[in-house]
Amino acid sequence: DGGITQSPKYLFRKEGQNVTLSCEQNLNHDAMYWYRQDPGQGLRLIYYSQIVNDFQKGDIAEGYSVSREKKESFPLTVTSAQKNPTAFYLCASSSRVGNGYTFGSGTRLTVV
Amino acid sequence: AQSVTQLGSHVSVSEGALVLLRCNYSSSVPPYLFWYVQYPNQGLQLLLKYTSAATLVKGINGFEAEFKKSETSFHLTKPSAHMSDAAEYFCAVSDPFGNEKLTFGTGTRLTIIP
Repeated sequence: DGGITQSPKYLFRKEGQNVTLSCEQNLNHDAMYWYRQDPGQGLRLIYYSQIVNDFQKGDIAEGYSVSREKKESFPLTVTSAQKNPTAFYLCASSSRVGNGYTFGSGTRLTVV
Repeated sequence: AQSVTQLGSHVSVSEGALVLLRCNYSSSVPPYLFWYVQYPNQGLQLLLKYTSAATLVKGINGFEAEFKKSETSFHLTKPSAHMSDAAEYFCAVSDPFGNEKLTFGTGTRLTIIP
């Protein structure tokens, strides 16, 4: 079955370390997105990509980086510059306007 | 630019009672509108969507929503709540003439009282 796979489901990071969250889709969707979710704040857009080798900053891109070398993959790196990285991270993809998003199951990142 | 406002961050209803979750939007063009549901520690699942066809949209799990342009609303309803409906619900809007990017509301947590 087609879908989006996020890994790992839980991730622990020491302060000062970079970590990379994986997002892979086999839906043949062109667009992919990364959101951060904190209690009471809904979903905030970090980065999005509408085509391979191109991506745009979202509302809260500082301290994060992405790449889009393949259509299927959109990894997110949380750098040490992100001051408050503990959150639930969601990856999504979409095919065209009006279809909405398909979401992965999320990665919960905790800084220890 | 589009925006979405969800009135009520927490809603509680008794099992068997009507569920009503409110969503109002702001958009300079006729929008596309979506409702998503999220269970704890999971991703979001599409409940239903409005894309300028019928104004009353039926979704999964017995939910439906009505697009009211005059009220700029897209409220989500279910006639009879079930314990399994307890979750967080998000309304979202997109520009049909732009890219696929969605703007989400801050969510409404639905609690079902036995």
